[in-house]
Amino acid sequence: GQQLNQSPQSMFIQEGEDVSMNCTSSSIFNTWLWYKQDPGEGPVLLIALYKAGELTSNGRLTAQFGITRKDSFLNISASIPSDVGIYFCAGQLPGGGADGLTFGKGTHLIIQP
Amino acid sequence: DAGVIQSPRHEVTEMGQEVTLRCKPISGHDYLFWYRQTMMRGLELLIYFNNNVPIDDSGMPEDRFSAKMPNASFSTLKIQPSEPRDSAVYFCASSYVIGNGYTFGSGTRLTVV
Repeated sequence: GQQLNQSPQSMFIQEGEDVSMNCTSSSIFNTWLWYKQDPGEGPVLLIALYKAGELTSNGRLTAQFGITRKDSFLNISASIPSDVGIYFCAGQLPGGGADGLTFGKGTHLIIQP
Repeated sequence: DAGVIQSPRHEVTEMGQEVTLRCKPISGHDYLFWYRQTMMRGLELLIYFNNNVPIDDSGMPEDRFSAKMPNASFSTLKIQPSEPRDSAVYFCASSYVIGNGYTFGSGTRLTVV
């Protein structure tokens, strides 16, 4: 399948700091999705992006669909302890079925007291 | 809605035994997906169904894996015989459409010893 490069792999931050993570690919995607996974649970959809250049917010979270359609970023402002978890990007290839939805390997967010 | 419901949450079995994982999708969702998550490979799509019909099973590792969806509210993923390398978290997800964001269950953590 297609490869999504998600970075960073992990982040160690202080509470209150802003967070930024991104995903890039050599392929063009029609849709970018950002999920969060808490320990022992399944991924939960945070933000969905459907158009190149689209910038969408969900509370303290902001995500953008890159102009080239090959990348996306997620920002979290003023991090709080409950933001801890694994964040996944996922991209949907044009015309693809479910096998066209590719997940990144995830960014582990750890907040130090 | 109670969301996607998976059972059991944890399964420990001996190598060679048959394992059956169960999933109840969200009512009204036409698509059902089975994913496997490991540290090394991340989230991998195993198989997906549309209106109870298997559409793409190219992600199923080998003949030891089989999945069924006898009706719109129930699906099973069976491994027979199980092997230690099958140890992973198995997620079921469902959706109205493909690529717009899936709702995941809490997963089944399978350990084969």
